[in-house]
Amino acid sequence: GDSVTQMEGPVTLSEEAFLTINCTYTATGYPSLFWYVQYPGEGLQLLLKATKADDKGSNKGFEATYRKETTSFHLEKGSVQVSDSAVYFCASTSYGKLTFGQGTILTVHP
Amino acid sequence: DVKVTQSSRYLVKRTGEKVFLECVQDMDHENMFWYRQDPGLGLRLIYFSYDVKMKEKGDIPEGYSVSREKKERFSLILESASTNQTSMYLCASSLPQGSYNEQFFGPGTRLTVL
Repeated sequence: GDSVTQMEGPVTLSEEAFLTINCTYTATGYPSLFWYVQYPGEGLQLLLKATKADDKGSNKGFEATYRKETTSFHLEKGSVQVSDSAVYFCASTSYGKLTFGQGTILTVHP
Repeated sequence: DVKVTQSSRYLVKRTGEKVFLECVQDMDHENMFWYRQDPGLGLRLIYFSYDVKMKEKGDIPEGYSVSREKKERFSLILESASTNQTSMYLCASSLPQGSYNEQFFGPGTRLTVL
């Protein structure tokens, strides 16, 4: 079946540091790929998505590129803020069902 | 704005009790989902529904059942709660089947079974 693997956390950074959270997937067919974010005490919300190879999703300074050759969808941000502290989930979808990675906890210190 | 609401943010129940978790969405979405979230495991799909009175098992349906009598409401039922069902439960909804349809999540119910 489909699976998604994220880099293990937690990740702790200082404000304005560069962020990378790795994500790789295995899937049958051609999935769409997502990054969801969960702020403390809240449900998940969509951060960005990409629906086909070489697409780049971007939102709030975060970016991720759908790399079919490496089956990856790594999340990056050039300069993180304290307000980016949250749990980040990579996910793939086939036929309307989402498969999630295990989540990466990000903590950003001032 | 899409809104998905869940009946309780926190719930404490005893082993053997029957537990109902309710989820309501206000965007006329056909699809609804129940997940549980556990540290280090991400979100795992329990059940989903593509239409009223329809349900499909997800990856971990054992010990759970669901009910969808109205389009906007999707209930998760723990027939006899056990301590290993202590978890965060998240409901989601989306437009009809399509590989790039975003799922919208509720705030979650943190269930503790004593």
